[in-house]
Amino acid sequence: DVKVTQSSRYLVKRTGEKVFLECVQDMDHENMFWYRQDPGLGLRLIYFSYDVKMKEKGDIPEGYSVSREKKERFSLILESASTNQTSMYLCASSSQLEGYTFGSGTRLTVV
Amino acid sequence: RKEVEQDPGPFNVPEGATVAFNCTYSNSASQSFFWYRQDCRKEPKLLMSVYSSGNEDGRFTAQLNRASQYISLLIRDSKLSDSATYLCVVNPDDSWGKLQFGAGTQVVVTP
Repeated sequence: DVKVTQSSRYLVKRTGEKVFLECVQDMDHENMFWYRQDPGLGLRLIYFSYDVKMKEKGDIPEGYSVSREKKERFSLILESASTNQTSMYLCASSSQLEGYTFGSGTRLTVV
Repeated sequence: RKEVEQDPGPFNVPEGATVAFNCTYSNSASQSFFWYRQDCRKEPKLLMSVYSSGNEDGRFTAQLNRASQYISLLIRDSKLSDSATYLCVVNPDDSWGKLQFGAGTQVVVTP
């Protein structure tokens, strides 16, 4: 089975901190994604990557950046955390053959 | 207008009853469609794909109506374990790249 692992399940950070969310997949998938999920808004795409060192902005990239130095790892960076970035963050990877698989999510609270 | 719209519910369903709900999508050229299930505080997981001819998986039946641009999910003989949020997901170009997610329909099955 494809496994997508997110480094933290729950995280509490202070306003202004730099926050790193890590995601690792073990099935050699080309595509990786970062979403945030908020009640009533569903999943919104922050950034995605179709290849190593490649990144594309999603629908809500402001306040975030990403890094994909290796195929299996896609990191989401909150440059200066703010309270409106409190959310559930979901990483996913996909391939043409196997479709989409999500990580178990990181619930981030910014205080 | 949102790309994918769903009734948020909740749909309160007695155990053993049937429940059905729809989702509409805006892009008439969309290629493939899915229902994902998301349990509280967990990641979304693929429930079933939706085909033009309609398809069934046990107690679950999915239908696609391309002319009216909606997909539906019907759950027969509801179980307590069916309580979850059901996400309508549209794959616009069949590439397993960026997906479009509805905000979800909550189903609560009661004893």
